[in-house]
Amino acid sequence: EPEVTQTPSHQVTQMGQEVILRCVPISNHLYFYWYRQILGQKVEFLVSFYNNEISEKSEIFDDQFSVERPDGSNFTLKIRSTKLEDSAMYFCASSRDMFANTGELFFGEGSRLTVL
Amino acid sequence: GNSVTQMEGPVTLSEEAFLTINCTYTATGYPSLFWYVQYPGEGLQLLLKATKADDKGSNKGFEATYRKETTSFHLEKGSVQVSDSAVYFCALSTGGGNKLTFGTGTQLKVEL
Repeated sequence: EPEVTQTPSHQVTQMGQEVILRCVPISNHLYFYWYRQILGQKVEFLVSFYNNEISEKSEIFDDQFSVERPDGSNFTLKIRSTKLEDSAMYFCASSRDMFANTGELFFGEGSRLTVL
Repeated sequence: GNSVTQMEGPVTLSEEAFLTINCTYTATGYPSLFWYVQYPGEGLQLLLKATKADDKGSNKGFEATYRKETTSFHLEKGSVQVSDSAVYFCALSTGGGNKLTFGTGTQLKVEL
């Protein structure tokens, strides 16, 4: 069964360092998303991406964050200069159709980011 | 704004026990409601959904009914199995947008 895969599963970095989290969405999906969950808190929407551009982003997704689909298969989240409060589990998701039509997103296992 | 409140876990049950995980929401407009489940080592996956008031979503023996009057979408299962051990997330979406608002998740552990 097709699945969304994420790498790395866990990354430890120093504050101020750049981090890139990678995701391979399901191959025939067109819509891509990043969510994150700070330990003990809610899963929060970060950004959605369609047709090579951001379609929606949250207040959390400031200038330190960027997303890219560099090669038609990978979907990456970059954090330019990490802060302690960026420590969280980051979930990538994809969907074939506009979410509003089906309500179903397919999620990866998550990448745990720890900023020291 | 939109928000989802779930009962805190972890919830520990014996096999064949009855399960209820409470979920209430606050939303602008008329939300669609979802339960997602994350099994150990896997990504979140859609368990069930309901798109309008009084709808009942069901899957794998789990059920949840969209209660507009109490703004709730409680998850129930009559007889849980060890294989149901997972984290359960309640979520909503409004306005035809393409994002979900989640709760914190409730960890369920089922023991023999």
